[in-house]
Amino acid sequence: AQSVTQLDSQVPVFEEAPVELRCNYSSSVSVYLFWYVQYPNQGLQLLLKYLSGSTLVESINGFEAEFNKSQTSFHLRKPSVHISDTAEYFCAVSDRVGGTYKYIFGTGTRLKVLA
Amino acid sequence: DGGITQSPKYLFRKEGQNVTLSCEQNLNHDAMYWYRQDPGQGLRLIYYSQIVNDFQKGDIAEGYSVSREKKESFPLTVTSAQKNPTAFYLCASSMGTGVPNEQFFGPGTRLTVL
Repeated sequence: AQSVTQLDSQVPVFEEAPVELRCNYSSSVSVYLFWYVQYPNQGLQLLLKYLSGSTLVESINGFEAEFNKSQTSFHLRKPSVHISDTAEYFCAVSDRVGGTYKYIFGTGTRLKVLA
Repeated sequence: DGGITQSPKYLFRKEGQNVTLSCEQNLNHDAMYWYRQDPGQGLRLIYYSQIVNDFQKGDIAEGYSVSREKKESFPLTVTSAQKNPTAFYLCASSMGTGVPNEQFFGPGTRLTVL
């Protein structure tokens, strides 16, 4: 079965500094990868996804992630963070089990942007 | 506006009581899911449903029950058999479980057992 590891539970970073949130998944023939963001006491919102094609995917608010099959990673990056990026970020993988795609989530990384 | 609604936002329950959490979607999605979120543990799948009148247990189904009588609705009942029900509950939907689509999440219900 698939598993997802987010090694960093918390990442503090100063405003306008770059950030990388790490995500590794266990190997599989085909993987579909997602990053979600959660603001306090809210549901999750999709940030970006990799289904196929270009290994570099981007979101509308400046985040990007790169699918690296050899390292089984899907790290999330942003070159310059804002205070408003403070939130919890979840990496997820969709894996086919029988005829069904199920979603496995990492334990989350809490990003705190400092002024 | 299309989306997923969950109610109530906050719910308090006495030990030994059953409670039902509501989840409604108007996205015309076939698949719906219930997750439980605890600090530091990410999201854990309780139940999911691919079509009306059909649902499957997830990883932590014990002490919970669901129904799927309508495409739009997927209520979750937390029974008295659930040993530690205090948590944040999230409902989600997606176009179908036959393809790897992203999930859309509701705003969540925070359940506290007194």
